[in-house]
Amino acid sequence: DIQMTQSPSSLSASVGDRVTITCRATQNIGSSLNWYQHKPGRAPKVLIYVTSSLQRGVPSRFSGSGSGTDFTLTISSLQPEDFATYYCQQSYKTPWTFGPGTKVESK
Amino acid sequence: QVQLVQSGAEVQTPGASVRVSCSASGYTFTSYYIHWVRQAPGRGLEWMGLINPSSGDTFYAQKFQGRVTMTRDTSTSTAYLDLRGLRFEDTAVYFCTRVPEGLYYFDDWGQGTQVIVSS
Repeated sequence: DIQMTQSPSSLSASVGDRVTITCRATQNIGSSLNWYQHKPGRAPKVLIYVTSSLQRGVPSRFSGSGSGTDFTLTISSLQPEDFATYYCQQSYKTPWTFGPGTKVESK
Repeated sequence: QVQLVQSGAEVQTPGASVRVSCSASGYTFTSYYIHWVRQAPGRGLEWMGLINPSSGDTFYAQKFQGRVTMTRDTSTSTAYLDLRGLRFEDTAVYFCTRVPEGLYYFDDWGQGTQVIVSS
């Protein structure tokens, strides 16, 4: 199975900050990497698919980059509604696997 | 609009079985694979498997093979997750989610079903 790691596991940030989360796969997954936002008591929400494509309705402050094994999610200017846990997920090969998550908390 | 509506919370004893349903509306049920994902308390998201609603073909994560069955009823546009031999560690919120045909990400999700395994 392809294992996904994320760093950091958590971070504290303020509104307006630029936030960067990294995700690494244990093998080359091309561009088959998606990012989700998850808030407690809610269903996860896709933000970015195929590494850098912004899901419709998602604010442009979210962006993704990378290829192969190393990927990045960037929030250019953190907003109050962005405090949540973020997961990367590979869809290169079944079983599809998620990273362990990065919790973004208010400083 | 697209909706995936799941069945309500369940409390089961160890060794029992549970069935979670996922009723789809607002789109052609057979055009989107349905996947199941769970989240145990304090843990991350865990992919369990998928079903192709058109053919009924399934693929399960190895961890769940032998204990899980995913089925669908195309007449009611409903997908089902059956999990047998429940263990305390199966306590989790279970989500159904759909993947657009030809694409490879989860775009819509059910609201989640809490399953508690308790003696």
